[in-house]
Amino acid sequence: GDSVTQMEGPVTLSEEAFLTINCTYTATGYPSLFWYVQYPGEGLQLLLKATKADDKGSNKGFEATYRKETTSFHLEKGSVQVSDSAVYFCALSFSGGFKTIFGAGTRLFVKA
Amino acid sequence: DTGVSQDPRHKITKRGQNVTFRCDPISEHNRLYWYRQTLGQGPEFLTYFQNEAQLEKSRLLSDRFSAERPKGSFSTLEIQRTEQGDSAMYLCASSLEAVSTDTQYFGPGTRLTVL
Repeated sequence: GDSVTQMEGPVTLSEEAFLTINCTYTATGYPSLFWYVQYPGEGLQLLLKATKADDKGSNKGFEATYRKETTSFHLEKGSVQVSDSAVYFCALSFSGGFKTIFGAGTRLFVKA
Repeated sequence: DTGVSQDPRHKITKRGQNVTFRCDPISEHNRLYWYRQTLGQGPEFLTYFQNEAQLEKSRLLSDRFSAERPKGSFSTLEIQRTEQGDSAMYLCASSLEAVSTDTQYFGPGTRLTVL
C-alpha cells in the first residue's frame, strides 16, 4: 500500500546549521507531497507542498523538491533557528480528496 | 474565520464511558476528515466526509466509533465504551474541493486519556 518513510529523530543541530530531513514514499500513482510541522503544544500546520514531479515547495526558508525518480521529498533549510524546533511530518495524498498518509515524524531540536 | 476548531481540547474519562468530540471546519470547506495520532507517530486516517456524506472509513474505526456531519458543517466523533487503547490525540482537518489537489488544514486536536 501507499506509505511514507522519514528519517528517525531526534535531530539535534546548532543554530545556523544546515538541515536535511529525508523522506521517501511508496505510492501507486502520482500523489501530491507535503511537509507539515507541529510546534510544541500546537496543531499540525502545513509547511509546504508540491503537486507534481520536479516541483519545489518552499516556505519560511524551508524547501523540498518532488523527485519522482527517487520517490523522495527531502526537507532542507540552509540556516536553522531555535524557533524551528518542532516535529516535522512528511505526507502524501491523491487528488480528489480522501486521506493523507503521514510518516512517523522527525523531531528537530535546535540549540542556541 | 480563524481555522479549524475542536472541542474539548482535553478529555479524561474512565474506561467504559462514552465520549463525544466536536469539530468545526473552516467555513467554506466541504470536506472534513478525522485522524488519530498516538505518541511518536504520525496521524492515521479514520474517516472522511464530503458535505454530509461519510464517504470513507478506515478499518481502524471499530464499531464503537461513529462520526456524523448532519448538516455538512460541524462534525462529531463519538467513542462508545472507551478502552485504554483509545487514548490518543484526535485530529480534525478540513479542505476545499479543488481540481488538482486539496490541502487539508488541521485543528489543534482533542487529547483523550482513558483511565
